[in-house]
Amino acid sequence: DAGVIQSPRHEVTEMGQEVTLRCKPISGHDYLFWYRQTMMRGLELLIYFNNNVPIDDSGMPEDRFSAKMPNASFSTLKIQPSEPRDSAVYFCASSLARPYEQYFGPGTRLTVT
Amino acid sequence: DQQVKQNSPSLSVQEGRISILNCDYTNSMFDYFLWYKKYPAEGPTFLISISSIKDKNEDGRFTVFLNKSAKHLSLHIVPSQPGDSAVYFCAASRSNYQLIWGAGTKLIIKP
Repeated sequence: DAGVIQSPRHEVTEMGQEVTLRCKPISGHDYLFWYRQTMMRGLELLIYFNNNVPIDDSGMPEDRFSAKMPNASFSTLKIQPSEPRDSAVYFCASSLARPYEQYFGPGTRLTVT
Repeated sequence: DQQVKQNSPSLSVQEGRISILNCDYTNSMFDYFLWYKKYPAEGPTFLISISSIKDKNEDGRFTVFLNKSAKHLSLHIVPSQPGDSAVYFCAASRSNYQLIWGAGTKLIIKP
């Protein structure tokens, strides 16, 4: 299996622009997680899905952030409008049956200028 | 409120010796603990885990010890190898799927 796939790997955008991050989980996995990593706050869970349904989005920082999972093989994290403080590495992870053991993608490094 | 703490930002160990990474937690309701390893420009990789009903779990060169009374867990790597150089994250969970992560410890294995 190819593992969790994220795109793009790097994104540089200007403040106010819309940013869409994409994730393809490992085939057959039924949990999907979106994380954000910053120097100040470390690794934070933003939202997670089970069988394509959002279960807990309490980590989403504000209404500018939204996530969708239209099917079992694809998820998006959208930031609109983006702000410089959104600059971070965003990770997607998936798991099967043992949700504690999550498989991470390589991350998307987002820079908002 | 940092519920999971890794107080050592970095650790340097000679190749072949034992590496011991430490993690403290404050929430006694945590029932599952995990260690992840992260290389630069990659996502974290699951390494080893332990349930709160156990005090030790071993997988090859990696052993995790859990001391519930002290709310402390440690990861032992024996013998340490150059490929073990990475950032190690401790994480804990409370019967849901939200992992609470430590800040990480950068392990450097010296040849």
